Amino acid sequence: SQWGEENLQALSIQEGEDVTMNCSYKTYTTVVHWYRQDSGRGPALIILIRSNEREKRSGRLRATLDTSSQSSSLSITAAQCEDTAVYFCATGYQNFYFGKGTSLTVIP
Amino acid sequence: DAGVTQTPRHEVAEKGQTIILKCEPVSGHNDLFWYRQTKIQGLELLSYFRSKSLMEDGGAFKDRFKAEMLNSSFSTLKIQPTEPKDSAVYLCASSFGTGVYEQYFGPGTRLTVL
Repeated sequence: SQWGEENLQALSIQEGEDVTMNCSYKTYTTVVHWYRQDSGRGPALIILIRSNEREKRSGRLRATLDTSSQSSSLSITAAQCEDTAVYFCATGYQNFYFGKGTSLTVIP
Repeated sequence: DAGVTQTPRHEVAEKGQTIILKCEPVSGHNDLFWYRQTKIQGLELLSYFRSKSLMEDGGAFKDRFKAEMLNSSFSTLKIQPTEPKDSAVYLCASSFGTGVYEQYFGPGTRLTVL
């Protein structure tokens, strides 16, 4: 497996809280993609981070990448109900390796 | 712009049947991917095409799964014969194959094998 974690993670938080999702990977990469999948739909790219960036922000999203520990994180600030989804990290170039994902539920 | 189209959205098959899933990638994309998604295994790559050439065929899925790219705007995934363990969501994705390599996914086909 490309990834350290083996099972789909599940998180449940209250609206307005901050949340961080983590993933670790085994094979060297210079870019990590984060995808979001809403129920009944395919995944969609929400943010990507390259090794020379260490941190990337997009709206309420913040991604980090630590190539020395081969890990990446995605944080959502002040989560909203519409952030409820499954979040995946992926490495690779043409051919991605997807992690198992984190199922995030934001409760109003 | 049209995104990735997949048909049918739902399929129910009896064990042993042959089923064919269809995918139309985003116009102009060079790469096309088929994935199987389950809660336990997550997203598993079945096939990867670049400019209609098969680049990767997903190893363990070779024997009963066959993906084809008949032209740059249409691909099929055939499962023959189906088994109950094939019940999953099958996702098709396409990409330009350059730059950030963002994959655009279709809505998927939910397959149930009885």
